[in-house]
Amino acid sequence: GIQVEQSPPDLILQEGANSTLRCNFSDSVNNLQWFHQNPWGQLINLFYIPSGTKQNGRLSATTVATERYSLLYISSSQTTDSGVYFCAVEYSSASKIIFGSGTRLSIRP
Amino acid sequence: EPEVTQTPSHQVTQMGQEVILRCVPISNHLYFYWYRQILGQKVEFLVSFYNNEISEKSEIFDDQFSVERPDGSNFTLKIRSTKLEDSAMYFCASSEVSLGIAGSTDTQYFGPGTRLTVL
Repeated sequence: GIQVEQSPPDLILQEGANSTLRCNFSDSVNNLQWFHQNPWGQLINLFYIPSGTKQNGRLSATTVATERYSLLYISSSQTTDSGVYFCAVEYSSASKIIFGSGTRLSIRP
Repeated sequence: EPEVTQTPSHQVTQMGQEVILRCVPISNHLYFYWYRQILGQKVEFLVSFYNNEISEKSEIFDDQFSVERPDGSNFTLKIRSTKLEDSAMYFCASSEVSLGIAGSTDTQYFGPGTRLTVL
């Protein structure tokens, strides 16, 4: 089946820093989403981005479908950005989503 | 903005007991899903459901699990005889349409999850 790899697994930054999270996938996908899992375990959808670039405030994402990767950019990090960021892809006609292992981001004040 | 809701937020049960996790998908959505996340691990697909039938299920979704849409609004996941290893966060999701054609699939909206603890 499709493999979804995220890097880095862990990232510790000072408040105000910028970061780039990467998601590689091993096959063509119909759909790609980025999620933030907050400390309470809730999954918050950040972007639905099968291709192209989208921006929402301090966050932006780019997916290059032909090269099978997506990037999530976080600028001017805040402590509330801490949590685990998951990339998830959908590749089959039955709509199953496959999640990566996540990047755990810790923002220090 | 419409959202997927799940109840309860936390369920504690004894090993061997039956549990039912409830979800209310977004009202005009037709596709429903359950996922689970064991603590510290990745989110895993369990089952998808459309037109009152299971569309796809993973190897995790064995005979102990069942899903149902008992009425026009609820979507439930039942675990018949819980095991310790069933302890996890269970997420429900729904989407409006999923044609399975490249570029035609829709976003899956996730509920906040139910944390199941089996003692």
